[in-house]
Amino acid sequence: KNEVEQSPQNLTAQEGEFITINCSYSVGISALHWLQQHPGGGIVSLFMLSSGKKKHGRLIATINIQEKHSSLHITASHPRDSAVYICAVRAGGGADGLTFGKGTHLIIQP
Amino acid sequence: GAVVSQHPSWVICKSGTSVKIECRSLDFQATTMFWYRQFPKQSLMLMATSNEGSKATYEQGVEKDKFLINHASLTLSTLTVTSAHPEDSSFYICSARGRVREKLFFGSGTQLSVL
Repeated sequence: KNEVEQSPQNLTAQEGEFITINCSYSVGISALHWLQQHPGGGIVSLFMLSSGKKKHGRLIATINIQEKHSSLHITASHPRDSAVYICAVRAGGGADGLTFGKGTHLIIQP
Repeated sequence: GAVVSQHPSWVICKSGTSVKIECRSLDFQATTMFWYRQFPKQSLMLMATSNEGSKATYEQGVEKDKFLINHASLTLSTLTVTSAHPEDSSFYICSARGRVREKLFFGSGTQLSVL
């Protein structure tokens, strides 16, 4: 079973700061998702990665398959970025379900 | 973007009753739907995977007779918590995937409280 570890668990930063959230997993995967969960529970899928790097607006996600590590970066952070960011991995071999990290609780202060 | 509608958002019920949660894909055909459970301050945990028209595949430790999943159409899956007990109180959330495996869309979740 894949172990998914995220760091930090909690992060408070000032508006405008560059944010990095890390995710490590123990077993090879077919894909990694970064998710955003707002208070109230709703979840939005931000990225799905199987290699390399993806960028969407102020968000950048990278993955290093050899090192079993992914990072999510937020540039020019804003209070509306405050949320829980969750890393989730999908095993290889055609498996469908995701294994989730515990999430990083991010607070951006004005 | 695609929308997945989940109802109800929250429900309070008495111990021993059954609760049905609906998950609908509004503008795409969801060939696969997933049901997750999240306890406070814990990770999301996959409960089961369902493909339209076939029986759900349950994760180890999830009782299939207690958590009934029906995925009768390409736009609707339901999770029924039968004979609910206080320990079933949790946040339940669905996700749906269409024919393009990259895209995964989540419902807004259901907070279940069993008294």
